[in-house]
Amino acid sequence: DGGITQSPKYLFRKEGQNVTLSCEQNLNHDAMYWYRQDPGQGLRLIYYSQIVNDFQKGDIAEGYSVSREKKESFPLTVTSAQKNPTAFYLCASSVRPGLGDEKLFFGSGTQLSVL
Amino acid sequence: AQSVTQPDIHITVSEGASLELRCNYSYGATPYLFWYVQSPGQGLQLLLKYFSGDTLVQGIKGFEAEFKRSQSSFNLRKPSVHWSDAAEYFCAWRSGGFKTIFGAGTRLFVKA
Repeated sequence: DGGITQSPKYLFRKEGQNVTLSCEQNLNHDAMYWYRQDPGQGLRLIYYSQIVNDFQKGDIAEGYSVSREKKESFPLTVTSAQKNPTAFYLCASSVRPGLGDEKLFFGSGTQLSVL
Repeated sequence: AQSVTQPDIHITVSEGASLELRCNYSYGATPYLFWYVQSPGQGLQLLLKYFSGDTLVQGIKGFEAEFKRSQSSFNLRKPSVHWSDAAEYFCAWRSGGFKTIFGAGTRLFVKA
């Protein structure tokens, strides 16, 4: 079945440590996204990518980095510069936006906590 | 700035009762509007979307939503709620391009 796979399901970060969240899709989608979800705040866009080797900052990119070396993969690194990383992270994908009615397909998320 | 408002943080409904979740957006042009549902610890799943045509749209799991331009609203409804509908519901707005703006969500509790 086609879909988006995020791993790990749970991740713990020590202070000063960088951690990487994995996101893989087999939907042949051009666009991929990373969202952060905090209770009561909805979803906020961290980074998005339209095509391989290209990505753009979202609303809360500080303290995060991404790469898009393959169409299927869009890993997110939470760096030590992100002082409040505890959150639920969601990866999503879509066909290349045209009219804007394209829906997002979501992975099942990674819960990141600080030790 | 564009925004999506879901006025109710949580709602409790009895099983079998009707449901309406409110959503308001702030943008002049006709937006593309979506409702997504999230079960605990899971990703989001699309319930329905509106982008043109009939202002009453049908979705999965018996949900429907009505776009009212005069009220800048896109409320989600279901005639009879089932216990399995307990989840968090997000209204979202997209104008074209890559950015989707989400509301803060409404958590639905269903009591027996």
